[in-house]
This record gives sequence, structure tokens and C-alpha cells, in this order.
Amino acid sequence: ETGVTQSPTHLIKTRGQQVTLRCSSQSGHNTVSWYQQALGQGPQFIFQYYREEENGRGNFPPRFSGLQFPNYSSELNVNALELDDSALYLCASSFKTGSYEQYFGPGTRLTVT
Amino acid sequence: DQQVKQNSPSLSVQEGRISILNCDYTNSMFDYFLWYKKYPAEGPTFLISISSIKDKNEDGRFTVFLNKSAKHLSLHIVPSQPGDSAVYFCAASVGGGSNYKLTFGKGTLLTVNP
Repeated sequence: ETGVTQSPTHLIKTRGQQVTLRCSSQSGHNTVSWYQQALGQGPQFIFQYYREEENGRGNFPPRFSGLQFPNYSSELNVNALELDDSALYLCASSFKTGSYEQYFGPGTRLTVT
Repeated sequence: DQQVKQNSPSLSVQEGRISILNCDYTNSMFDYFLWYKKYPAEGPTFLISISSIKDKNEDGRFTVFLNKSAKHLSLHIVPSQPGDSAVYFCAASVGGGSNYKLTFGKGTLLTVNP
């Protein structure tokens, strides 16, 4: 059973650019959530996708968007990057139904200069 | 406004002793609580959880206590081992499950000294 994987591991972008981060869910999981973890903070919920539909959103602006594909892999897109977007981006997968824990990937470290 | 607070940024204990990590919350709608452990360069890994209908849950060396009236939970690790050294995050959710939006605290760095 493969775990949650994310790519790339590290990324450096310039303010105003756009970025796409990728996540491959754990086998069989149909739900993916994305979190942003700024330095010294806990992860903050960005949004969740279930069966390719957004299933809830945290307090993030519309320039943060996502996709979930039929194979349950996922993307996080951020447009018009700002310096404050520099953070570790984590994705987590789970089963939708029941009280199943979320399994996190190792994250993508994004630096915006 | 932080709804989940971990007021101790760090904790240091001796191997074999008890580690107690604390967490407070302000949102009375939270009904499911979790602890995650995070090693450097890895994602958080689930450790233990508790539903708001319980006041204690135990799993091996790890026990979580929930005091709803005080809006406080704690994680006890007994005995502590050097491999337990990590950042511990308290998290909470609404809706009776752990597969939806989790609200995390800032974390506590636990160091277990041999």
C-alpha cells in the first residue's frame, strides 16, 4: 500500500507567478484535503475535495484553487503569488465516510521571492 | 483568532518519565479531537483521537484526556522514549469525524533526553 506522495519537494517562485502542486492520494482514498503550514504555525485548512467536487473551504482567497482527478490524485493551484504564500503545503487523503483519519504527505516547501 | 491553542512551544523530559502535552480550545462546536506527531521533513502522522462523548482514550503508551467543561485536552506519553521526540499537534474538527476540516494548534516540540 503506497502512502500519500507530493511533488515537487521544494519550489521557488517569484511574486506574481502561478504555481501548481501535486498530490497522489493513498490507494483507495476518495477524499483529499490541502493545508498550508506557515513557519512556526500549525497546518491551516485550505479546502477539501471529494469525488472531484470541492467539499468545503477554509479562509483562503479564490486565487487558491484545486482539482481532483478520477484516480483521486489532486492539484493545488495558486495564482498571483504573494510573499506570504511561502509555506509548507500539505495534502492529506482519507475515506469520506466514517471516522477515518487523514493521512498526510510530506509536503511541498514553496518559497516566494 | 486561534481556536486551538497549544501554549507550550516546547517540552523537555527524561527518557522513561511521563510527557504531558496540553491543548485548549475555544470553539464549543468541536466534537472530535486528534493528536498528530510530526518529524522533520515528514508530514504529520496520526497518533490518537477522542470523541467528545468520551473523556479518555488509551492506545499503548499514549493516553488522551478530554475535559469538555474546561475545553482542555491533554496527551500523556508513558514511558517517554527518545524516538518520541517530535512536534506534536493538537487538532479538532466539527461533525463527529476526522476526515473533514481539521483545525490545528501551533504545535509543541517534545524532546526526550536519553
